[in-house]
Amino acid sequence: KAGVTQTPRYLIKTRGQQVTLSCSPISGHRSVSWYQQTPGQGLQFLFEYFSETQRNKGNFPGRFSGRQFSNSRSEMNVSTLELGDSALYLCASRGPLGSEAFFGQGTRLTVV
Amino acid sequence: SQELEQSPQSLIVQEGKNLTINCTSSKTLYGLYWYKQKYGEGLIFLMMLQKGGEEKSHEKITAKLDEKKQQSSLHITASQPSHAGIYLCGADMASGTYKYIFGTGTRLKVLA
Repeated sequence: KAGVTQTPRYLIKTRGQQVTLSCSPISGHRSVSWYQQTPGQGLQFLFEYFSETQRNKGNFPGRFSGRQFSNSRSEMNVSTLELGDSALYLCASRGPLGSEAFFGQGTRLTVV
Repeated sequence: SQELEQSPQSLIVQEGKNLTINCTSSKTLYGLYWYKQKYGEGLIFLMMLQKGGEEKSHEKITAKLDEKKQQSSLHITASQPSHAGIYLCGADMASGTYKYIFGTGTRLKVLA
């Protein structure tokens, strides 16, 4: 069974640009969550999608958005990039409620 | 403030020594999960605890959840260099939700 796949693995963008990150969950998993990880703030919850609907949202500005497709694949978009958006972005997929989350390898975003 | 507090933030131990990492919440946890992360990579699932007083072991790692379901500990016996990494506790903070938050993390270094 293939794991969670995130693309790209590394990305360098300039301030003001926008970026789209992709996540393919484990087959059969309908819940996909996104996290931002930085040395100072740790692992922060961005949002969670289930069956194409955003069900939970963390405390991030509106520049951070996402969506989920009918095949459960999810994308995360960050517009008007700031230096502080440099981080490791992790995606996790989950099966039934109460089960563990499986994480992708992450996308390392650097904003210059 | 963090809903899940981990201690210590970092730990350096000599190979062969035992160690304990703690994860504490002021609220009841509906599921407690332990993960390990190698720097810059995704999280690897270690163990899941759901019932008050539950204890699980895998190889040299034992995790416990207290009766009140507000505190968990991860204990490593006879540590090895392969145990080095960042340990994170994650939890479902409400029943029936996929909103999964994480502790601040504990960075473990094992000296050979």
